[in-house]
Amino acid sequence: GAGVSQSPRYKVAKRGQDVALRCDPISGHVSLFWYQQALGQGPEFLTYFQNEAQLDKSGLPSDRFFAERPEGSVSTLKIQRTQQEDSAVYLCASSLGAGGYTFGSGTRLTVV
Amino acid sequence: SQELEQSPQSLIVQEGKNLTINCTSSKTLYGLYWYKQKYGEGLIFLMMLQKGGEEKSHEKITAKLDEKKQQSSLHITASQPSHAGIYLCGADRTGNQFYFGTGTSLTVIP
Repeated sequence: GAGVSQSPRYKVAKRGQDVALRCDPISGHVSLFWYQQALGQGPEFLTYFQNEAQLDKSGLPSDRFFAERPEGSVSTLKIQRTQQEDSAVYLCASSLGAGGYTFGSGTRLTVV
Repeated sequence: SQELEQSPQSLIVQEGKNLTINCTSSKTLYGLYWYKQKYGEGLIFLMMLQKGGEEKSHEKITAKLDEKKQQSSLHITASQPSHAGIYLCGADRTGNQFYFGTGTSLTVIP
């Protein structure tokens, strides 16, 4: 596609519910990143994939957060047993590997 | 600790006024990016700077990277309400991780 596509655009989850956020990167982009942006703050790194390999997951805040990219293209960020502090915009970005990052529009997650 | 500090944290200007946002790094930058974000939405790429002393412009926005490649500024001339949003600088970190500045919230009053 022309850009990085994220879905859903908005998600409201009840506390304790599991959610799955999807990122469809630009075709051919090797690198894929997930970021979490709390209201009024800058994005914080969550995890990084190079093709299907998850090379860095140091930013995942707890073991309730899990990301995968099984075929090296589409990625899913899963959050289990959502808590209110998980409410944020989740941004996905992709790149060819040498800069030139393209960000998606994000998924706004609200946990009630 | 934040490796990229932005200032000011927030800015309120009258339409038509000029403004500058700064991004300062504790380390030499090898690729400095500026993004704009509308509230609650994704990031919009503005410009990328790589060389010391480099300056780029797009419409009424000009970004510069200093010679030492540790500070960048974003200057908006004759601001408009459409310029409102959060401005983020970002940089490459070794290991393919990208990190962001602290952000600057811009409000333009008509």
